Amino acid sequence: ETGVTQTPRHLVMGMTNKKSLKCEQHLGHNAMYWYKQSAKKPLELMFVYSLEERVENNSVPSRFSPECPNSSHLFLHLHTLQPEDSALYLCASSQSRGLAGGREQYFGPGTRLTVT
Amino acid sequence: KQEVTQIPAALSVPEGENLVLNCSFTDSAIYNLQWFRQDPGKGLTSLLLIQSSQREQTSGRLNASLDKSSGRSTLYIAASQPGDSATYLCAVIVGGFKTIFGAGTRLFVKA
Repeated sequence: ETGVTQTPRHLVMGMTNKKSLKCEQHLGHNAMYWYKQSAKKPLELMFVYSLEERVENNSVPSRFSPECPNSSHLFLHLHTLQPEDSALYLCASSQSRGLAGGREQYFGPGTRLTVT
Repeated sequence: KQEVTQIPAALSVPEGENLVLNCSFTDSAIYNLQWFRQDPGKGLTSLLLIQSSQREQTSGRLNASLDKSSGRSTLYIAASQPGDSATYLCAVIVGGFKTIFGAGTRLFVKA
């Protein structure tokens, strides 16, 4: 596997379910990001982890819970979601220190989430 | 509050035409600016990254410029091809890791 991978690629869940999205990066980066892309809205940054520490949390509802156990893996735990949470969830990674690479972000293919 | 605007929202051009996509941002205090393309239902592919100290970057038929003082970046695509059809997104990083995206320009290149 190369680059940034995400599983599952598609997920349908009810409002009372609990599920998790997984992201793995094979680029040797140490910062990882979660984004939400809704129809007809710009990408919204949700969370950022740098060196396994959460450094950005953009007022995301608590029904979304991120976890970063190491610099290669990032999870987004979902529970009691609402239909308006249906979207494409994208993971990205970058370097986090210095100017090398200028924190260029590389994205995974995304998970298409549908909440019923 | 930083805002990123992309104009036009959609663009249709014949194959072979040179074109310019525009990105503007309201606060010049950016760390860097990155251009991406996104194919329908897919993730983002990085095209070019311009650091705040740079004025432009080139990759193949693509050239991106940055003018921080005026809050503008342009993506120039030379000799467009049908395979260039996609949505083009620009994003600014404003200190730390905070990343703000524009809404994108949907490009269609007609064969």
